[in-house]
Amino acid sequence: AQSVAQPEDQVNVAEGNPLTVKCTYSVSGNPYLFWYVQYPNRGLQFLLKYITGDNLVKGSYGFEAEFNKSQTSFHLKKPSALVSDSALYFCAVSGPGMDSNYQLIWGAGTKLIIKP
Amino acid sequence: ETGVTQTPRHLVMGMTNKKSLKCEQHLGHNAMYWYKQSAKKPLELMFVYSLEERVENNSVPSRFSPECPNSSHLFLHLHTLQPEDSALYLCASSQVTNRGSAEAFFGQGTRLTVV
Repeated sequence: AQSVAQPEDQVNVAEGNPLTVKCTYSVSGNPYLFWYVQYPNRGLQFLLKYITGDNLVKGSYGFEAEFNKSQTSFHLKKPSALVSDSALYFCAVSGPGMDSNYQLIWGAGTKLIIKP
Repeated sequence: ETGVTQTPRHLVMGMTNKKSLKCEQHLGHNAMYWYKQSAKKPLELMFVYSLEERVENNSVPSRFSPECPNSSHLFLHLHTLQPEDSALYLCASSQVTNRGSAEAFFGQGTRLTVV
């Protein structure tokens, strides 16, 4: 079955340290991969996407993600965390290989807490 | 500002009330979505509309009734809701091709409380 996994419910990082939020997927073909951020009581904001090309994708607010086809992973990274990065992060998959062109498969979300 | 506007931002309604949530997108996208987000649960896709036609309906109770009068507007009509329907309701839009959906853009959500 097609799925997206975010194995960590919560990630704690000290301000200034690098952060990684993990995402793995189980989808056939060459999927499109996305990261979103959600602040409390707000909608999801698009951060970055991988469609094709360079495996390292850069996005908003200094975030980047690395696509690894052999490990079917798309981990979100940032070299130096800010307290304002504290939020809920979602990984999502769409594109070729889905049951429907409209289908977006979402991870369960990872709460990122950056401590001063 | 994402180009997707939802109103109202907050709604408190009794179980016998009828209310509607509104969503408008200014991005020229051809697909619109309703999602439900409850505390400590994954995002739940409720409905998908493509160019005013419903293309997906994920076993949502009939007390939720969507309406898409044109490609820019989406409504969710609510009636005789239950307290467990209290949640954040999110509208989104995306551009869908025969290869799949591009990134979705979300509204700010409506925080619904059923009393």
